Formats: sequence, structure tokens, C-alpha cells
Amino acid sequence: AQKVTQAQTEISVVEKEDVTLDCVYETRDTTYYLFWYKQPPSGELVFLIRRNSFDEQNEISGRYSWNFQKSTSSFNFTITASQVVDSAVYFCALSANNAGNMLTFGGGTRLMVKP
Amino acid sequence: DGGITQSPKYLFRKEGQNVTLSCEQNLNHDAMYWYRQDPGQGLRLIYYSQIVNDFQKGDIAEGYSVSREKKESFPLTVTSAQKNPTAFYLCASTLAGAIYNEQFFGPGTRLTVL
Repeated sequence: AQKVTQAQTEISVVEKEDVTLDCVYETRDTTYYLFWYKQPPSGELVFLIRRNSFDEQNEISGRYSWNFQKSTSSFNFTITASQVVDSAVYFCALSANNAGNMLTFGGGTRLMVKP
Repeated sequence: DGGITQSPKYLFRKEGQNVTLSCEQNLNHDAMYWYRQDPGQGLRLIYYSQIVNDFQKGDIAEGYSVSREKKESFPLTVTSAQKNPTAFYLCASTLAGAIYNEQFFGPGTRLTVL
């Protein structure tokens, strides 16, 4: 069985603060992929990043960075110098060796960035 | 532009009625999915289909039905057997066969039972 836990249900920060969204996962598979999605108020999920289980290099894309640590089964997401437009619900998800390419989603973290 | 369309955006249903939510994609994706999202919660899988004329139940299929007669279309019917259908419904699609393929999502349909 697979499980993704996002312990932070809501985070509120002031613009320009850095913020880290936590994601902890469980799987018995050795080959798996982790994803982050953003859900703005409009409702549509937007894909942000994918990371495979064999690549523990951290990744940076502009103000976004991701820290993948297999030792702690975590795939955390940091936004540097947050902006109001970053306000959204963020989901972490896991896909492992199973039929149907099914994603297991965490419960999501609602990020509110105040001006 | 390639993408996924869902209609309607908002849907109101009286108790005891069946309603059908539309999902269409022009991405030439093989697999399609339906998720349900309740306030403050994550996404739960209702049904998925990897190929035309074939589909499987997800975690919460009771009270729902689907069909996959065309590659581009995967409509979801919410039946009267679904006791608490008020929720946000998201359709997604992906290239089948590989766990590394991200899913692409439609804009969603918000269903309210009156």
C-alpha cells in the first residue's frame, strides 16, 4: 500500500518570506516517482515537478526548490521570497509500480501569502 | 490548444436525479481518470480507464458509473445511489504504460445537491 502525508493543512506567510511544504511518503516499491501539483483558486491542478526514486539531487527552478531525501522518505518543497500569486493548495503525489499509472495524493497544504 | 475540457463548470442536482459530467481531451492520451475532491481534502480516485471500452473502479466507485466509447471522452454519471455527491470533480489524463508520466487535469466540475 502507498501513502502520502502532508502534515501541514494550512500555512500563512507574509509576502517575501520563505516557506517549506512538507511531504512524507510510504511505499514498498524501489522504483517510484514523486510529484508536486499546484491547485490555484480556479481549481485546475497544475503539474510542477517530477522526481524518480533513483535521483536524489535537489532541484531548483526559479523561486521553487525541492529536497528529496530517501533516508527520511520525504520530498519537501520550498518557495523562496513568496508572492501573493503563490497562494494555492499544493499536493504531493506518489506513483509506483502498479497498474493504471495511478497517483496517490496527499491531503494537500493550503498556502496563503499575505501582502 | 491541447488540453482537457470539463463541462459544466457548475452543476446543481436534486436528490434522486442522475447527472452526467463530461470530460474530453485532445492530447491523444490513452488513460483517463476521475477524482473527487471534498473541501480541505485530497483527491480520491473514482474510476480510471487505460483503453477504450475498458475501465476499472477506483477507491470510491460506489454510486458512480463511467463509459469509454471513444479515446477522447470519459463521461462520469453520478447516480442517485451516491449518498453524498456534493463535491468538486476532476478529470485527468495521461500517456499510459509508464509511472513517470504526469497526469494532466481539467478545470473541474463543482456538483451541488439541492
